[in-house]
Amino acid sequence: GAGVSQSPSNKVTEKGKDVELRCDPISGHTALYWYRQSLGQGLEFLIYFQGNSAPDKSGLPSDRFSAERTGGSVSTLTIQRTQQEDSAVYLCASSKVRPGQGSRTDTQYFGPGTRLTVL
Amino acid sequence: RKEVEQDPGPFNVPEGATVAFNCTYSNSASQSFFWYRQDCRKEPKLLMSVYSSGNEDGRFTAQLNRASQYISLLIRDSKLSDSATYLCVVSRGNNNAGNMLTFGGGTRLMVKP
Repeated sequence: GAGVSQSPSNKVTEKGKDVELRCDPISGHTALYWYRQSLGQGLEFLIYFQGNSAPDKSGLPSDRFSAERTGGSVSTLTIQRTQQEDSAVYLCASSKVRPGQGSRTDTQYFGPGTRLTVL
Repeated sequence: RKEVEQDPGPFNVPEGATVAFNCTYSNSASQSFFWYRQDCRKEPKLLMSVYSSGNEDGRFTAQLNRASQYISLLIRDSKLSDSATYLCVVSRGNNNAGNMLTFGGGTRLMVKP
């Protein structure tokens, strides 16, 4: 079946503009995660959704970042008034069940990411 | 101190070599452990889960030492196609949202002919 998809694959924007990144999780996956990966760095957790609610927003770096999920499916990550330090690859992942259910954390499947460049 | 620490490498090894990566984690409440593989400019993909008893999948062996908070990955008979960055991943053990994952910075492996 189809994997996690993200759009756009690349986004170049000017400092101060708003951007919206989209994630389409695997059908039936209830949990959805956003991460970002700066050049040469590890993955930084941003936010997690279970269904349409976000129990953990602890990773959002500032109030310029927000995310929503509708219909328990598609999610959008919005960055307002972008700054150059926001340049990174934004990765979305989904898993079948919420993390911690049962004795194992469920496998997260990643999308190809959106490469954001803020000029 | 980072929650998950890895030697960034790169590890340059010849084909056929055996190579081992290590990882340490700081959160003693962590319950789940994984190795992910990430190819250049690609998304991370699950390589294997790591179980307390240790587990093997073909040429790959993963081990966990909870007392020392240490995870390892051993790759035997390295192939050119094993060249990638290997990410050590640990659950955060966050009771608020279940076992969220924390990723290490990755260890880069380059297998040469």
